[in-house]
Amino acid sequence: DGGITQSPKYLFRKEGQNVTLSCEQNLNHDAMYWYRQDPGQGLRLIYYSQIVNDFQKGDIAEGYSVSREKKESFPLTVTSAQKNPTAFYLCASTSRGRNSPLHFGNGTRLTVT
Amino acid sequence: EDQVTQSPEALRLQEGESSSLNCSYTVSGLRGLFWYRQDPGKGPEFLFTLYSAGEEKEKERLKATLTKKESFLHITAPKPEDSATYLCAVSGSNDYKLSFGAGTTVTVRA
Repeated sequence: DGGITQSPKYLFRKEGQNVTLSCEQNLNHDAMYWYRQDPGQGLRLIYYSQIVNDFQKGDIAEGYSVSREKKESFPLTVTSAQKNPTAFYLCASTSRGRNSPLHFGNGTRLTVT
Repeated sequence: EDQVTQSPEALRLQEGESSSLNCSYTVSGLRGLFWYRQDPGKGPEFLFTLYSAGEEKEKERLKATLTKKESFLHITAPKPEDSATYLCAVSGSNDYKLSFGAGTTVTVRA
């Protein structure tokens, strides 16, 4: 079955540590996205990539970094510079056709203490 | 900047009690309005895309409609398995970015 796999499902880290969230897709989609979801707020875009070796900042990129070395993979690093990293992180992908819907993974819940 | 507001924040329904969710939007050049369903601890699942005012789409007990300023998601004779958070999103002039509302959490009691 085609889909998006995010790992791990739950992640716990101490404050000051960098952490990398994995996102892999086998849908042959060109574009991939990272969103952050907090209670009572809409999904907020962190980074997106429309093609391998290229990515753009979203609305809340500070304290995060990404890479897109392979079409299938778009890992997100939450750095110690992110002031409020505890959240539910969602990875998504889509084909490049106009208005193609996003397909989401099942998320990683990151807790930083 | 694109904006999406969903109401109500939460909706509690009795099984069989039909109701509607609202999604109001402000966008420069609407390219598409999307509805998603999200279960607790899971990623959103795509339901519908609407492109122009007057368009309607249906899937089982769900029907989505679109005007120039808002969209409605109608739930007809809901069942407990329809309990979820429903998210609305719009795609505007930058069609590689979606702007999401905060969602409406629907609880259907048997």
